[in-house]
Amino acid sequence: RKEVEQDPGPFNVPEGATVAFNCTYSNSASQSFFWYRQDCRKEPKLLMSVYSSGNEDGRFTAQLNRASQYISLLIRDSKLSDSATYLCVVNAMNYGGSQGNLIFGKGTKLSVKP
Amino acid sequence: GAGVSQSPSNKVTEKGKDVELRCDPISGHTALYWYRQSLGQGLEFLIYFQGNSAPDKSGLPSDRFSAERTGGSVSTLTIQRTQQEDSAVYLCASSLWEGYSYEQYFGPGTRLTVT
Repeated sequence: RKEVEQDPGPFNVPEGATVAFNCTYSNSASQSFFWYRQDCRKEPKLLMSVYSSGNEDGRFTAQLNRASQYISLLIRDSKLSDSATYLCVVNAMNYGGSQGNLIFGKGTKLSVKP
Repeated sequence: GAGVSQSPSNKVTEKGKDVELRCDPISGHTALYWYRQSLGQGLEFLIYFQGNSAPDKSGLPSDRFSAERTGGSVSTLTIQRTQQEDSAVYLCASSLWEGYSYEQYFGPGTRLTVT
């Protein structure tokens, strides 16, 4: 099983749509979870951390299910500017490195159309 | 404040030459990471430094790759005897490393092309 798995997409949605991305991780000991976005030919940028109770930032909602080792990102009222690749990120535990090393999924590509 | 900076932004080199890539982390960040990303691919972890601890080199693909971090701040990634498969974007990130807060902030990357 891959450490962090995401559906690569692409997800093609119209403006205003609601879209959800899912991610699974393999190490049950992981403690920190994030979503990053990466625009074409740009560096990844932190979108939001994911907290155990779930958290919301404007149109973005992140959920964590530790029992199923599953993370989700919901985007409401999609904008053209949301078009990017969304990376699911989990901190590495007991992989021969310390807790601060992050493992990045390969990303889910989102394309929002007018 | 200033973010992570990297130089050069682009580097074209001939196969067999050595290259040095530089990263300036965010001031006060104790952890520094190097990744590379080939076109259309995910991030590949290379190495990270945390404070005065020995670096985690588990991601370096071969002994042609090395990195150092001087004075707990600036880092240099060196690739010796470059090969065409080394062509990629090399990304540096830094992190404050507090408690369970491990958010990493990335620099713009160095695009390396080996001809």
